[in-house]
Amino acid sequence: KAGVTQTPRYLIKTRGQQVTLSCSPISGHRSVSWYQQTPGQGLQFLFEYFSETQRNKGNFPGRFSGRQFSNSRSEMNVSTLELGDSALYLCASSLWQGREKLFFGSGTQLSVL
Amino acid sequence: GQQLNQSPQSMFIQEGEDVSMNCTSSSIFNTWLWYKQEPGEGPVLLIALYKAGELTSNGRLTAQFGITRKDSFLNISASIPSDVGIYFCAGQLVQGAQKLVFGQGTRLTINP
Repeated sequence: KAGVTQTPRYLIKTRGQQVTLSCSPISGHRSVSWYQQTPGQGLQFLFEYFSETQRNKGNFPGRFSGRQFSNSRSEMNVSTLELGDSALYLCASSLWQGREKLFFGSGTQLSVL
Repeated sequence: GQQLNQSPQSMFIQEGEDVSMNCTSSSIFNTWLWYKQEPGEGPVLLIALYKAGELTSNGRLTAQFGITRKDSFLNISASIPSDVGIYFCAGQLVQGAQKLVFGQGTRLTINP
């Protein structure tokens, strides 16, 4: 069974631009979560989607948004990029029912110049 | 926000030694998870714990869910070079919610 797939693997953007990251969950998984990882703050929860609905949201500004499609694939968008948005963005998927084991993708490394 | 205190921050050991690390919190968690992350990759799930006092093994790895539900421990026995990486603990506060709170990680380095 294929794992969580994230694209692109690397991105370089400049301040003020916007970016869209994509995530395909493990087949059969219906819940997708996004996390930001930085050396200073560690792993921080961004948001969680299930059945195309946002279920939980972390403490990030409104510039960070996401969505989930009917096939459970998810995208996250960051608008008006700031230097501090440089980070590894990780997507994780899980089965909604039952135990909540999160399986992570390899991430998208975003650099904002 | 919620925080997990993970220690030690780093470890430098000889191959073959046993390793212990732990996470503590002021909050009660429903689930504890341990992940390992290698450079350029996402965290890989090692062990999941669901009940206070639970002790679970995965090969040379053993983890425990503290009886107070505010802490968890991970032990690695007879370390080998491929154990190198960063180990994270993560806690789930609310059953059914995918929001995890992560520790700051323990960086493990092994001298052959």
